Amino acid sequence: EVQLLESGGDLGQPGGSLRLSCAASGFTFSSYAMSWVRQAPGRGLEWVSGISGSGGSTHYVDSVKGRFTISRDNSKNMLYVQMSSLRAEDTAVYYCAKGLRSWGSGSDYWGQGTLVTVSS
Amino acid sequence: QSALTQPASVSGSPGQSITISCTGTSSDVGGYNYVSWYQQHPGKAPKLMIFDVSNRPSGVPDRFSGSKSGNTASLTISGLQAEDEADYYCSSYTINSTYVFGTGTKVTVL
Repeated sequence: EVQLLESGGDLGQPGGSLRLSCAASGFTFSSYAMSWVRQAPGRGLEWVSGISGSGGSTHYVDSVKGRFTISRDNSKNMLYVQMSSLRAEDTAVYYCAKGLRSWGSGSDYWGQGTLVTVSS
Repeated sequence: QSALTQPASVSGSPGQSITISCTGTSSDVGGYNYVSWYQQHPGKAPKLMIFDVSNRPSGVPDRFSGSKSGNTASLTISGLQAEDEADYYCSSYTINSTYVFGTGTKVTVL
């Protein structure tokens, strides 16, 4: 059974940093691209970042480029996102999502999310 | 990258069919057969309902179907049921190798 468990959500200061983690199990982690998707309170979904199975290719939405860094440790089945220069508009539930067979096809499994609140 | 355009709300009676549209551009929806649809109940994580325009993952009822014409994709729910009441989001791969989601549609079962 595929399981994704996010952690690391917290109250962060504007301009500060946070690191989110996602523990994956139930599938061959290194074979699949992974993504982070966020949802601000009462708002829609926003794709944030993605990484290839090997970790050699990464992608970001324009609003987080230069501030967020996605990474993975295939030996530990872990996905991460390092968030820096936090802004109020980064406040959201952050979901970890497993990619389908091809980059571009979307995500077939999602975690339950972890809440990031950016406020002074 | 602007969000894809979806109607804010769609409603129907049990047993009826409804269709949700998702309009993008030639740089996303129109350029690739990589449109997916997600269902989200309140307080829950999204669930994949359709991928690659018209493919259903295992376990998704065949009442759900997807299609695309030009820059607009569509999700049709046939034989609407009470448990289909939820928010629905489309998503597309983009020319920048990223993804963009739709604005979301609230489906109400009357």
